[in-house]
Amino acid sequence: ILNVEQSPQSLHVQEGDSTNFTCSFPSSNFYALHWYRWETAKSPEALFVMTLNGDEKKKGRISATLNTKEGYSYLYIKGSQPEDSATYLCASPNQAGTALIFGKGTTLSVSS
Amino acid sequence: NAGVTQTPKFQVLKTGQSMTLQCAQDMNHEYMSWYRQDPGMGLRLIHYSVGAGITDQGEVPNGYNVSRSTTEDFPLRLLSAAPSQTSVYFCAAGGQTSGYTFGSGTRLTVV
Repeated sequence: ILNVEQSPQSLHVQEGDSTNFTCSFPSSNFYALHWYRWETAKSPEALFVMTLNGDEKKKGRISATLNTKEGYSYLYIKGSQPEDSATYLCASPNQAGTALIFGKGTTLSVSS
Repeated sequence: NAGVTQTPKFQVLKTGQSMTLQCAQDMNHEYMSWYRQDPGMGLRLIHYSVGAGITDQGEVPNGYNVSRSTTEDFPLRLLSAAPSQTSVYFCAAGGQTSGYTFGSGTRLTVV
């Protein structure tokens, strides 16, 4: 079974702080790396899908980088706001590329 | 555009009862999956499908069956519910390079 690891498990920051989380995944047979945002009582929503080594994607204050050779991705949030409070999940396709395997997520709490 | 529709939203079952969680998508995605969410465990893959007539087991398939007779529908069946199956279930449809869309979830309690 593919192993996708995320750290830290949880994080608490003050409004305006910048923060980042890590996702590590097996670097062999790489297909893609997904990031999802999951707010309490809602469903996960796709943030980024990254496929190329060195890829960097950005959506507003959130950005992500990808290193497929060493098997890690970083998610950055610049100037955190209370509305950024959520669990951030990363996922990688299984060995056949037919389903996503998720990490356990990083739960971010932003205080005003 | 509904995306992925899951029913029911809530369900309480007695141990040993059976039920089917429904999932339908209108995005014409070939790939569909079922996950369960438990505290501290993240989303764990139960079963998945790569197209009509093709299904496979995920990380935690025991106690669940699936079928995929059409591209749109991917129901999850609990044949004999157990308290260990108390969880929140999510259906998702998408692709490895296009991202997945999730349903709104089904909160199942087995007593």
